[in-house]
Amino acid sequence: EIVLTQSPGTLSLSPGERGTLSCRASQSVSSYFAWYQQKPGQAPRLLIYGASSRATGIPDRFSGSGSGTDFTLTISRLEPEDFAVYYCQQYGSLPYTFGQGTKLEIK
Amino acid sequence: EVQLVESGGGLVQPGGSLRLSCSASGFTFSSYPMDWVRQAPGKGLEYVSGIRYNGGFTYYADSVKGRFSISRDNSKNTLYLQMSSLRPEDTAVYYCVKKYATGSYHYDFWGQGTLVTVSS
Repeated sequence: EIVLTQSPGTLSLSPGERGTLSCRASQSVSSYFAWYQQKPGQAPRLLIYGASSRATGIPDRFSGSGSGTDFTLTISRLEPEDFAVYYCQQYGSLPYTFGQGTKLEIK
Repeated sequence: EVQLVESGGGLVQPGGSLRLSCSASGFTFSSYPMDWVRQAPGKGLEYVSGIRYNGGFTYYADSVKGRFSISRDNSKNTLYLQMSSLRPEDTAVYYCVKKYATGSYHYDFWGQGTLVTVSS
């Protein structure tokens, strides 16, 4: 099973700042990699797939990069609605696995 | 508009059984593989099980293998998860998720989830 490790566990930033979230896989997942956003009481929402492709309706302030074992989600300029928990996922190898999550909180 | 609506959750005693359903609409259900993902209270996301578009292949996380069974009825646009020998650690919100397409298995749509509580 591929283990995904997200860092940091919590990220405290202010609106308008740039946010950088990381995820490392225990073995290569090529580009079979996604990022999801989850707000309290809601289901997760797809942000990025294929490591760098934005899902439909996702603002261009969200961008993904990386391949193999190291991936990054960047939010160029944080908006109030971006404060949430973010999960990475690999879907290249069963069982699909998720990172433990990064909580992005308002500083 | 794609909609996934789960039902069947509730309180069940350890060792009991429960069947979850997911009613799908807004897309050609019979063409897409589907999964179940769960989230224990205050915890992260965990893959549970998946099924090919035609039901011809199924997969289970080790944590549920032998206890849970995934199935689908394409004539009713419905996905199922039969859960038996339930344990307290199975307590979670269970999400029905649609995969984008064959060849790219990220989850493009999620249901709102149904809560399963295993407790005496």
